Amino acid sequence: DAGVIQSPRHEVTEMGQEVTLRCKPISGHDYLFWYRQTMMRGLELLIYFNNNVPIDDSGMPEDRFSAKMPNASFSTLKIQPSEPRDSAVYFCASRGQYSGNTIYFGEGSWLTVV
Amino acid sequence: AQSVSQHNHHVILSEAASLELGCNYSYGGTVNLFWYVQYPGQHLQLLLKYFSGDPLVKGIKGFEAEFIKSKFSFNLRKPSVQWSDTAEYFCAVNAYSSASKIIFGSGTRLSIRP
Repeated sequence: DAGVIQSPRHEVTEMGQEVTLRCKPISGHDYLFWYRQTMMRGLELLIYFNNNVPIDDSGMPEDRFSAKMPNASFSTLKIQPSEPRDSAVYFCASRGQYSGNTIYFGEGSWLTVV
Repeated sequence: AQSVSQHNHHVILSEAASLELGCNYSYGGTVNLFWYVQYPGQHLQLLLKYFSGDPLVKGIKGFEAEFIKSKFSFNLRKPSVQWSDTAEYFCAVNAYSSASKIIFGSGTRLSIRP
């Protein structure tokens, strides 16, 4: 059974470029979460969706960040323009009605902005 | 608002030592509690969880945690650690009132000396 799938696994980009991170949640899961992990701030919840609808985006750092979920099997997190301080590991996670409140994480997208 | 505190940022132990990692949360209502583990370079994996019932929860790899409601605590324990337990450990809380929002602590890095 496939878990949460994220791409790319690693990305190095130049400051000012657009970055798009992708996530495929576990099939049948109706909640999708985007987290950011840094040494300084730990694991931060950026945004989460329920049935493809954004429920809480209060963790999105600023307008440069946006997230979409056009269907139940795909979500994107976009940073435009990117800055060096956006360098972090971005995790996507999902949760299903029958998995209780347990969320399952993807492998993460390691972003470096130079 | 709910929050999670992990007071130990870095714990160093020798193999076979006993482990206890502290976790305190702030929320007066009903909660679900989790411990996740992140091995170096990997994603977060569920170690154990508490939803209801017996406050002493057994997880994988010999870990256990005890929910003490009066102390708002959910400490993680293991009687005898192994080198392979070297990882970062995250406590997380989900309050019933914000059904889907799971908040993570800042993490505790565990280093085991062989």
